[in-house]
Amino acid sequence: GAVVSQHPSRVICKSGTSVKIECRSLDFQATTMFWYRQFPKQSLMLMATSNEGSKATYEQGVEKDKFLINHASLTLSTLTVTSAHPEDSSFYICSARASGGADTQYFGPGTRLTVL
Amino acid sequence: QKEVEQDPGPLSVPEGAIVSLNCTYSNSAFQYFMWYRQYSRKGPELLMYTYSSGNKEDGRFTAQVDKSSKYISLFIRDSQPSDSATYLCAMILYNQGGKLIFGQGTELSVKP
Repeated sequence: GAVVSQHPSRVICKSGTSVKIECRSLDFQATTMFWYRQFPKQSLMLMATSNEGSKATYEQGVEKDKFLINHASLTLSTLTVTSAHPEDSSFYICSARASGGADTQYFGPGTRLTVL
Repeated sequence: QKEVEQDPGPLSVPEGAIVSLNCTYSNSAFQYFMWYRQYSRKGPELLMYTYSSGNKEDGRFTAQVDKSSKYISLFIRDSQPSDSATYLCAMILYNQGGKLIFGQGTELSVKP
């Protein structure tokens, strides 16, 4: 149980294009999903908290117009990196917290974004 | 000072050794404590989840929480090469929407 998937697992795009990453909770409903960014040899950095049906809450320093988050259902959240630049290249990981259950977060396998 | 401190290592041990991983924290508002394991280029996998002070055991893994000292530990018995990964401690801060605060992660290598 508690499986979270992400798609795609890897994406390479040209500078200036937009990239959408999907995060799905496969066997549970997630009221809240979180998006993280991780650079090599570093810990996870929380970008935003996404609650189903409402606007995402962004962490300080994260541009909400650049990283668009949509949490349209209890099993799906999307992160769109708009007008991507090489410095946006990173490992993006989502997590989901089960509705009404314990407060643990279950993580997806991550998406490796490379912007050329 | 970071809210959660964790020695990044790397830590190298021989197969079969007992591994001790530790984190300290400064904010007494932390209520839930987790340990995640992350293999290279993968998402973190939840290993242990504890709330109260004391020990919690699951197979070869034991999580220990000492709230009075603001100190948590993860022990791995009979370590295996497959345990080689980065181990992240994490804590939940309820007065900030329940978001996880991570330690830096400790890179562990178990040598055959």
